[in-house]
Amino acid sequence: NAGVTQTPKFRVLKTGQSMTLLCAQDMNHEYMYWYRQDPGMGLRLIHYSVGEGTTAKGEVPDGYNVSRLKKQNFLLGLESAAPSQTSVYFCASSYVGISGNTIYFGEGSWLTVV
Amino acid sequence: AQTVTQSQPEMSVQEAETVTLSCTYDTSESDYYLFWYKQPPSRQMILVIRQEAYKQQNATENRFSVNFQKAAKSFSLKISDSQLGDAAMYFCAYRSVLLIQGAQKLVFGQGTRLTINP
Repeated sequence: NAGVTQTPKFRVLKTGQSMTLLCAQDMNHEYMYWYRQDPGMGLRLIHYSVGEGTTAKGEVPDGYNVSRLKKQNFLLGLESAAPSQTSVYFCASSYVGISGNTIYFGEGSWLTVV
Repeated sequence: AQTVTQSQPEMSVQEAETVTLSCTYDTSESDYYLFWYKQPPSRQMILVIRQEAYKQQNATENRFSVNFQKAAKSFSLKISDSQLGDAAMYFCAYRSVLLIQGAQKLVFGQGTRLTINP
């Protein structure tokens, strides 16, 4: 059981370049999330999705776009990367149910924008 | 909006001893979940323990236990018999029971870096 898988794990971008982070989960979870983690701060929510074909903004959505075309995948896009987007990005997923109060995280993706 | 505060950026403890990490939170809700996550150098977020606010009994998971003080909005993590593998960043997190805008979103504290001295 792979859980939540993020690709790529590491990436260096030049300012202005675009890229997409892919998150895949095999637990049939309805909800998926993208967080970013910066030094000295906890994780902050960028965007989230409550189901296939739906997305919503989180706490820090500017500069990012997302898509959830398939239930198992949640893509995070940077259209024009900026140095301020240098961060570690975490994808997570969860489901709603009697025991659905646990969120599962991926291992993180390190992004450096130079 | 809910907030979570971890006032100890760094903590250290001798191996085999006990350490307590502090967390306070602010909310107007009466029912919610609280979590402690461990983040080792690999950066993976690992769930350590969780507490449902409606439960008065403090959660325990092996060497990890919490002191949940609902009235004081305090949620500390106690690690007993500390081991070298416990060295990590620890995050306290809050989640509402309510489906806020259709999702259950975690609010994280700033984290506490725990060092274990051999």
